[in-house]
Amino acid sequence: QQQVKQSPQSLIVQKGGISIINCAYENTAFDYFPWYQQFPGKGPALLIAIRPDVSEKKEGRFTISFNKSAKQFSLHIMDSQPGDSATYFCAAGIIGNTGKLIFGQGTTLQVKP
Amino acid sequence: EADIYQTPRYLVIGTGKKITLECSQTMGHDKMYWYQQDPGMELHLIHYSYGVNSTEKGDLSSESTVSRIRTEHFPLTLESARPSHTSQYLCASSGRDRGRYSGANVLTFGAGSRLTVL
Repeated sequence: QQQVKQSPQSLIVQKGGISIINCAYENTAFDYFPWYQQFPGKGPALLIAIRPDVSEKKEGRFTISFNKSAKQFSLHIMDSQPGDSATYFCAAGIIGNTGKLIFGQGTTLQVKP
Repeated sequence: EADIYQTPRYLVIGTGKKITLECSQTMGHDKMYWYQQDPGMELHLIHYSYGVNSTEKGDLSSESTVSRIRTEHFPLTLESARPSHTSQYLCASSGRDRGRYSGANVLTFGAGSRLTVL
């Protein structure tokens, strides 16, 4: 019930390409879905997030697509750059609750020049 | 600048030693968390706190203990370290976002403490 499943585990994309990472959740009580970006030697940092009242959220080159009926959401990175090479985590939580987030397994993205 | 600090960043110790990982935040957040990050990258919540004198165990069972005597400080202690405790430990704090994610608890992570037990 609490699990968040993320795929793929690793992804290699050419510079300028589109990177797509997918996540699925089970608990329908989740109402907050953030994506975190982690560079080597650093802690994860919030990249972008979405609430289930919208189907898409875009910030610059980063877009979250959300499908409430399928209980799935995905991160799209347009015009991927070598500087985007990092580990990406999706997560899910309940606003107004403990603030706890359940994280996906992570995706290592490598953008080749 | 508001931030969250973890020390030490790297620690190599022998089996049976007692260790304390320090975590401090300057954002005045009530909620704080410890996540364990496996070598395969997955993050598991092992402890959290709603405020001073409040601590709860997370979803992943851990032999470590935590304390919250001051709002800004949330140390994690292992009384007797074992090789199975080798991992990266990430501390985080959260406060209600008043901006683009209004109402959500936005987690801010420290850089992590990488523990190796020989």
